[in-house]
Amino acid sequence: NAGVMQNPRHLVRRRGQEARLRCSPMKGHSHVYWYRQLPEEGLKFMVYLQKENIIDESGMPKERFSAEFPKEGPSILRIQQVVRGDSAAYFCASSPPTGGFNEQYFGPGTRLTVT
Amino acid sequence: QKEVEQDPGPLSVPEGAIVSLNCTYSNSAFQYFMWYRQYSRKGPELLMYTYSSGNKEDGRFTAQVDKSSKYISLFIRDSQPSDSATYLCAMGGEWGGSNYKLTFGKGTLLTVNP
Repeated sequence: NAGVMQNPRHLVRRRGQEARLRCSPMKGHSHVYWYRQLPEEGLKFMVYLQKENIIDESGMPKERFSAEFPKEGPSILRIQQVVRGDSAAYFCASSPPTGGFNEQYFGPGTRLTVT
Repeated sequence: QKEVEQDPGPLSVPEGAIVSLNCTYSNSAFQYFMWYRQYSRKGPELLMYTYSSGNKEDGRFTAQVDKSSKYISLFIRDSQPSDSATYLCAMGGEWGGSNYKLTFGKGTLLTVNP
């Protein structure tokens, strides 16, 4: 059973460009979460999605950041007009459809560097 | 006061030692308590989770939760060099709140020396 997959693993963007991060949950999982890990900081919750629904985006900056989890295909975290402060590791996690919020399995992360 | 406090270490022990890792928290509404292991440049790997107070054992790992003290621990027996990693505590299942949202400590960097 493949784990959570994320790509790209490393992404370099210049200030002002767009970053698009993709996440494929574990097979059978329908809940997706995005977390951000800044240097010297713990992981911080950003957004929780189910298929075609954003359940909670309270941890995501109001501007420039958006997330989706379409009916088909991976979940996408999109950062428009990136700034240096967006440089971080972005992790996606997934959990099974029935309960199991406490069993969130993480992907390897995408390390975003903004130059 | 931060929601979750975790000593960042670093913690260095000889192979075979018993390791004790701890976190304190302030939000009494948390119901689930997890420990993740994160190797350098990798994603967090779920080690153990417990619900409410008590102990849970899995091989060389024992997780303890004391909700009255808002204190959780992870013990590693017979530590191995392959245990060298950053250990993250996480809490969730917030009663009356966003029960899916995990709140993490900053992690403790552990090195087990051969």
